[in-house]
Amino acid sequence: DSGVTQTPKHLITATGQRVTLRCSPRSGDLSVYWYQQSLDQGLQFLIQYYNGEERAKGNILERFSAQQFPDLHSELNLSSLELGDSALYFCASSETAQNTEAFFGQGTRLTVV
Amino acid sequence: DAKTTQPPSMDCAEGRAANLPCNHSTISGNEYVYWYRQIHSQGPQYIIHGLKNNETNEMASLIITEDRKSSTLILPHATLRDTAVYYCIVRARTGGGNKLTFGTGTQLKVEL
Repeated sequence: DSGVTQTPKHLITATGQRVTLRCSPRSGDLSVYWYQQSLDQGLQFLIQYYNGEERAKGNILERFSAQQFPDLHSELNLSSLELGDSALYFCASSETAQNTEAFFGQGTRLTVV
Repeated sequence: DAKTTQPPSMDCAEGRAANLPCNHSTISGNEYVYWYRQIHSQGPQYIIHGLKNNETNEMASLIITEDRKSSTLILPHATLRDTAVYYCIVRARTGGGNKLTFGTGTQLKVEL
């Protein structure tokens, strides 16, 4: 158990819908990361937050947004969903913004039908 | 970040040492070598990291060549549970965030 909690574990939704994925970091970790893993793309970095502020950004689509709240949990919002958004979404956390020893949650499997 | 090259797959007999190579010939002086693994569809798991010296922890050993252009992750006594994709990542600890770039990794299969 990494200490990072992601909910829900599974999510099935229709195209065009909007969903919110939630992540609770390890106790004491200030930085949260989001990754997407699809069959044909591998693990792709989406975005990083540190203590509530965006710190790094990957190839995150404009339809996707994230935020980190004062209690340090984070949410990833995916809107106007397409079939191609079906993937595993992982959250990770680390103590600092530059700490590469990141601890990953078990992921949310999103299926868009 | 420096690019890494890993073999796509390797096999290892249970109980034997698994030696996973990684080439990072363009590594810079301030870049660390990190290893993660991902057991089928689970979240990636941090294993070990190093800068110049060899490192060992309860999971594995990391051997970095003197010129730092390649490294080897060693699982001393591989078990079936070590079957996973192993990722070698090179990353500097600098400001501007912490974007871990995962390549395709090495699929390690541990067999009886």
